[in-house]
Amino acid sequence: DAGVIQSPRHEVTEMGQEVTLRCKPISGHDYLFWYRQTMMRGLELLIYFNNNVPIDDSGMPEDRFSAKMPNASFSTLKIQPSEPRDSAVYFCASSLGRVGEQYFGPGTRLTVT
Amino acid sequence: LAKTTQPISMDSYEGQEVNITCSHNNIATNDYITWYQQFPSQGPRFIIQGYKTKVTNEVASLFIPADRKSSTLSLPRVSLSDTAVYYCLVALLRAGNNRKLIWGLGTSLAVNP
Repeated sequence: DAGVIQSPRHEVTEMGQEVTLRCKPISGHDYLFWYRQTMMRGLELLIYFNNNVPIDDSGMPEDRFSAKMPNASFSTLKIQPSEPRDSAVYFCASSLGRVGEQYFGPGTRLTVT
Repeated sequence: LAKTTQPISMDSYEGQEVNITCSHNNIATNDYITWYQQFPSQGPRFIIQGYKTKVTNEVASLFIPADRKSSTLSLPRVSLSDTAVYYCLVALLRAGNNRKLIWGLGTSLAVNP
């Protein structure tokens, strides 16, 4: 299997622009997770889905962030409008059957200037 | 609300056994603990998972005492390549059979020659 696929790998944008991050989970996995990682705040769980349904979105920082999972093989994390403090590495992960054993993608490094 | 606490950093030498402890108060019988390893510029990687007592796999052991207020990741005979950040994750069972994920802030392990 190719593992979790994220795109783009790097994104540089200006403040105020819309940013869309994409994730393809491992085929057959029923859980999908979005994380944000920074030096200051560490690894933060933003939201996770089970069978395409959002289960816990308590980590989504504010209304500027939204996540969707229209089908089992694709998810997006959107930031609109983006701000410099959103600069971070965003990881997507997926798992099968339970939330503990997650497989992480390579991450998207977002820089907002 | 449950939280996890880990040491910020640890130092060791090649060939030694390393034990990293995560404190997690207020976890129940059905809550399980998972440990991850993260190298720079990569996503976290699953190491081991358990509910109670002791679990062992080819790379590590996980010890969970009866009171379940902590768990210890044990890495036998570490090498330089084990230098990484180690995270504990507690998955709390909630209503609707869903889980709340509580991540530790990570322990940076440095293995010296």
